[in-house]
Amino acid sequence: KQEVTQIPAALSVPEGENLVLNCSFTDSAIYNLQWFRQDPGKGLTSLLLIQSSQREQTSGRLNASLDKSSGRSTLYIAASQPGDSATYLCAARDTGRRALTFGSGTRLQVQP
Amino acid sequence: DAGVIQSPRHEVTEMGQEVTLRCKPISGHDYLFWYRQTMMRGLELLIYFNNNVPIDDSGMPEDRFSAKMPNASFSTLKIQPSEPRDSAVYFCASSAHGSLAYEQYFGPGTRLTVT
Repeated sequence: KQEVTQIPAALSVPEGENLVLNCSFTDSAIYNLQWFRQDPGKGLTSLLLIQSSQREQTSGRLNASLDKSSGRSTLYIAASQPGDSATYLCAARDTGRRALTFGSGTRLQVQP
Repeated sequence: DAGVIQSPRHEVTEMGQEVTLRCKPISGHDYLFWYRQTMMRGLELLIYFNNNVPIDDSGMPEDRFSAKMPNASFSTLKIQPSEPRDSAVYFCASSAHGSLAYEQYFGPGTRLTVT
């Protein structure tokens, strides 16, 4: 059974800092991995999706990488802003399955 | 497109009452998922449908929970009778088989409180 872990559970950084959020998964037979953002009391917004055949995806200040062999993905946020404060979730979709297995999230606070 | 629509956004009910949550997926999407989010267990899949047919309901907690999808544009999740431990945020998501990535799009969620 797939298990997804995110470390750290919480992170506080000053504005302008570059940061990395970590996600690990136990079963490397994934079809893709998706990063989401969740604001307090809100739903999930998809940020980036990496297919199993890809190494990384970029969108603006965000870059997500995937290393299937080591069971790891990272989300890199460049030049962080207070508006980036939210919980970031990673979710793995296993090959042959349609549902996602979620990590518990990293709660990010960017201090102005 | 309006995205995935869920109603109600908030529901407060007393233990023992029946609760019905509703979801309208994105038009043209043929997969629909129900997830539940709690502080203790995070986000967990409850059930998902493909072309209105339930495919995997292994995450449904017990017989008190039931889900239906009578047509491609509507699904319900029903809890009868509700219990305080059912308090959570329930999310609906949809995706399209035609999309290579099967990217899932989430609704805003329904926050359920059972007293």
